[in-house]
Amino acid sequence: DIQMTQSPSTLSASVGDRVTITCRASQSISSWLAWYQQKPGKAPKLLIYKASSLESGVPSRFSGSGSGTEFTLTISSLQPDDFATYYCQQYNSYLGTFGQGTKVEIK
Amino acid sequence: EVQLVESGGGVVRPGGSLRLSCAASGFTFDDYGMSWVRQAPGKGLEWVSGINWNGGSTGYADSVKGRFTISRDNAKNSLYLQMNSLRAEDTALYHCARTMVRSGSYLDAFDIWGQGTMVTVSS
Repeated sequence: DIQMTQSPSTLSASVGDRVTITCRASQSISSWLAWYQQKPGKAPKLLIYKASSLESGVPSRFSGSGSGTEFTLTISSLQPDDFATYYCQQYNSYLGTFGQGTKVEIK
Repeated sequence: EVQLVESGGGVVRPGGSLRLSCAASGFTFDDYGMSWVRQAPGKGLEWVSGINWNGGSTGYADSVKGRFTISRDNAKNSLYLQMNSLRAEDTALYHCARTMVRSGSYLDAFDIWGQGTMVTVSS
């Protein structure tokens, strides 16, 4: 099974900061990777699919990059609404796998 | 409005069974693969099971294989998860989710999510 490892687990940042979250796959998943944002008590929200494609309606400050085994989610200028937990998910194999999550906290 | 609404959760004893349902509306249900994703209290997301658009292909996480069965009724725009031999570690909020690719596999990025139904396994 493919394992997904996110880093860091927690990130403290200020409004306006550039934030980068990394997701590593235990084997190559090509570009079959998605990123989600989840706020407490809410369902996850799709941000990025196919590693770098921005979901409709998602602000352009969010971007994704990478292929193979290493991927990044970047928030170019952190906004108050962005404090949340972020998950990566691979969909290359016949079993889905999520990363363990990265909580973005207010510094 | 595109919507997924889960139901069927509750409290069940270890070894018991429960059947979850997910009602879809606002889109052509039989065009899309669907999955169940769960989240234990205070924990991360775990993909549980998926089914393709016509029910011909299914997949299960190792943690539930042989105990859970996913199915769908396209005439009723509904997705189901039959859960047997439940364990304490199955306690979680169960979300149904739609794959974003039409007429595709059960596994893709998930663009529509329900709010979830809570399952608690406790004696």
